[in-house]
Amino acid sequence: ETGVTQTPRHLVMGMTNKKSLKCEQHLGHNAMYWYKQSAKKPLELMFVYNFKEQTENNSVPSRFSPECPNSSHLFLHLHTLQPEDSALYLCASSQDPTGGEQYFGPGTRLTVT
Amino acid sequence: TQLLEQSPQFLSIQEGENLTVYCNSSSVFSSLQWYRQEPGEGPVLLVTVVTGGEVKKLKRLTFQFGDARKDSSLHITAAQPGDTGLYLCAGAQTGFQKLVFGTGTRLLVSP
Repeated sequence: ETGVTQTPRHLVMGMTNKKSLKCEQHLGHNAMYWYKQSAKKPLELMFVYNFKEQTENNSVPSRFSPECPNSSHLFLHLHTLQPEDSALYLCASSQDPTGGEQYFGPGTRLTVT
Repeated sequence: TQLLEQSPQFLSIQEGENLTVYCNSSSVFSSLQWYRQEPGEGPVLLVTVVTGGEVKKLKRLTFQFGDARKDSSLHITAAQPGDTGLYLCAGAQTGFQKLVFGTGTRLLVSP
């Protein structure tokens, strides 16, 4: 039991669609993260939020738009994606934003057609 | 960009065999973590090592942090099919609000 949930678990969307990924953590952590995991590539950090404030944007294209309304919830809004954006999107949380132990959700498997 | 190189990238072994996975970098880390990820799931934290030279054991898994805190190893004794998965090391550096993840080692243990 990770304490971090993600919905949906699977998503298929066209390049003109708009969709959102949701992450919720029940661990009382202060930091939340979005990662992208593609086949044969290392885990890529996308965004970091610490106490609801974005502290890291790892040169992510603007078609990915994060939102963190509070320390427990994190969203990733998607629009006009490309097929190469197909990947597993993982959310994580940690108590200590300075590289503390991270707890991951199960991920959303995204396919862009 | 700091990199953590893991070796081997892939490992396919029989049940009962021993194996070692390596995680190397030219950078110094304040701590290093190991995660295991099973298909269709997120990574799960296995252990954190903090002190140079530290050795931690988790049942059949032995983790070691290098003396200079630039590298780490994971040794599995008598591997079982349940050990199958993607093993990731991740390093934390003072002053950075993120982990640096390794390139991953995919392990398959066959019965």
